[in-house]
Amino acid sequence: DTGVSQDPRHKITKRGQNVTFRCDPISEHNRLYWYRQTLGQGPEFLTYFQNEAQLEKSRLLSDRFSAERPKGSFSTLEIQRTEQGDSAMYLCASSSGTWTFFGQGTRLTVV
Amino acid sequence: AQSVAQPEDQVNVAEGNPLTVKCTYSVSGNPYLFWYVQYPNRGLQFLLKYITGDNLVKGSYGFEAEFNKSQTSFHLKKPSALVSDSALYFCAVRDPMGGNLGRLYFGRGTQLTVWP
Repeated sequence: DTGVSQDPRHKITKRGQNVTFRCDPISEHNRLYWYRQTLGQGPEFLTYFQNEAQLEKSRLLSDRFSAERPKGSFSTLEIQRTEQGDSAMYLCASSSGTWTFFGQGTRLTVV
Repeated sequence: AQSVAQPEDQVNVAEGNPLTVKCTYSVSGNPYLFWYVQYPNRGLQFLLKYITGDNLVKGSYGFEAEFNKSQTSFHLKKPSALVSDSALYFCAVRDPMGGNLGRLYFGRGTQLTVWP
């Protein structure tokens, strides 16, 4: 499979716990994005990497959120001290230009 | 500011009938426009895009979309709907002049239901 892959697909965690998600983009894509999708809404931009540099962060990305892309390959998104409002689908996407491809997403449920 | 509106939360159509899912946009400059489809508990699948050129764009699974600059619209269409087309459809816009380097702005989505 040469598409964007995300792991895990589902995560259930207790409020206050930390979680980390992983995204493996299409190998030749230098751009990587994280989006969040809540029920009844379209995906909302969280952050953007070009290679290993994080070039933009949305105001949605509070201090509890951190993203990395070491070596410009895979990326991780960590949420510390999770809250119930963090429950959502977290989507990763990669692009080499005008084409943007999405992964299957990680569904996070905070109980 | 860039934005996308999908005025219909739901569209219902009988199998074999034509379907239209509406999208209007607001962006500075000439937009890049996209349609994605999402099946339950899945990510987004690319359907088609408009960058420049012919206003009628053909995409995957028999879908097409018409770019109308004067009406700032990019409606998704299919001449004959299938039950398997039932899914959540998202319109998205990218501002090629912006500094966001490919960031997409999405509408809220339209749930398409095709009944047999």
